[in-house]
Amino acid sequence: GAGVSQTPSNKVTEKGKYVELRCDPISGHTALYWYRQSLGQGPEFLIYFQGTGAADDSGLPNDRFFAVRPEGSVSTLKIQRTERGDSAVYLCATENGQGASRTEAFFGQGTRLTVV
Amino acid sequence: GQNIDQPTEMTATEGAIVQINCTYQTSGFNGLFWYQQHAGEAPTFLSYNVLDGLEEKGRFSSFLSRSKGYSYLLLKELQMKDSASYLCAVSRRGGYQKVTFGTGTKLQVIP
Repeated sequence: GAGVSQTPSNKVTEKGKYVELRCDPISGHTALYWYRQSLGQGPEFLIYFQGTGAADDSGLPNDRFFAVRPEGSVSTLKIQRTERGDSAVYLCATENGQGASRTEAFFGQGTRLTVV
Repeated sequence: GQNIDQPTEMTATEGAIVQINCTYQTSGFNGLFWYQQHAGEAPTFLSYNVLDGLEEKGRFSSFLSRSKGYSYLLLKELQMKDSASYLCAVSRRGGYQKVTFGTGTKLQVIP
């Protein structure tokens, strides 16, 4: 596609439920990042994929968060037993590169997750 | 660890010039990004400085001093559409350049 696509754009869920957030990268972009952004804050790094593998998952806050990218393209961020503190905008960004030569990351519009 | 500091809010007048500062303390520093983010939208890339000095791109310029851990974004001939948050982000050397964002500076341009 023309840009990074994230679905859904908005998700409201009840506390304790499971949610999946999807990211469709720009075609051919091998590097994919998930960030979380709370109101008035900058994006907070969650996880980085290079191809199919999670090269750095040090930003995942706890074991309720998990992300996959099985074919090296689409990625899914999964949150189990959601808590109200998980409410935020979840941003996906992709790059055409190995990550060791950073230039420009393209961000999706984000998924606004609200846990009630 | 990392520490990135930028002002929370700024106000400037249409047609004027504004400078948004960013200071950082980062081990293994490699480069510094500036992103623009309009309310409710995704961040969009403005600049990436690796070397010391000023880089100009139209109305926007970005400066970096590696020895001082300091950068600024300069916006000239301000337009109302420049009202947005401006995010400073630092990349680190390593197997890949992990990027850490500051909290952003919310700029309001007034008539």
